[in-house]
Amino acid sequence: DGGITQSPKYLFRKEGQNVTLSCEQNLNHDAMYWYRQDPGQGLRLIYYSQIVNDFQKGDIAEGYSVSREKKESFPLTVTSAQKNPTAFYLCASSIRHRGGGSPLHFGNGTRLTVT
Amino acid sequence: GESVGLHLPTLSVQEGDNSIINCAYSNSASDYFIWYKQESGKGPQFIIDIRSNMDKRQGQRVTVLLNKTVKHLSLQIAATQPGDSAVYFCAYPGGSYIPTFGRGTSLIVHP
Repeated sequence: DGGITQSPKYLFRKEGQNVTLSCEQNLNHDAMYWYRQDPGQGLRLIYYSQIVNDFQKGDIAEGYSVSREKKESFPLTVTSAQKNPTAFYLCASSIRHRGGGSPLHFGNGTRLTVT
Repeated sequence: GESVGLHLPTLSVQEGDNSIINCAYSNSASDYFIWYKQESGKGPQFIIDIRSNMDKRQGQRVTVLLNKTVKHLSLQIAATQPGDSAVYFCAYPGGSYIPTFGRGTSLIVHP
């Protein structure tokens, strides 16, 4: 079955530590995305990548970093510079560079809690 | 309308009723719209999409209506079932055609 795998499902970290969230897809999609979701809120874009070795900041990129060394993988690092990192993080992919032209396929998210 | 703070707009219906969930968008150049369903603790799932050259599209028990004049989108769910209880999001291209998501509406179906 093709899909997007995010791991781990739950992650706990101490304040001041960097943490990396994994996202892997076997859909052969070019574009990948990271969104953040807070309780009662919509999805806010952190970073996106339309092709390997290239990525762009989204609306709330401060305190986050990404890499896209392989088509299948788009890990997100939450750094200690992120002021409020506790949230539900969603990774997605789409078949075309123009993300608005085709549906996004989502993973089941990673819930990060920083204390 | 939208509520303030941490509370999503909520629609409560009885099982068997029809549900209508609304979404307004701001970019008149948007040409593609998608509805997603998100169950608790999971990622959003694609329900149905519509392109701007259409006013209506039907799927299984769901219909999407697009009114480009007033920049409004709606999702109609026929014969709503308890399994339809979830948060529903509309999405449309924003800057650089990156998907922008509406705030979401929580649908609660009472048996």
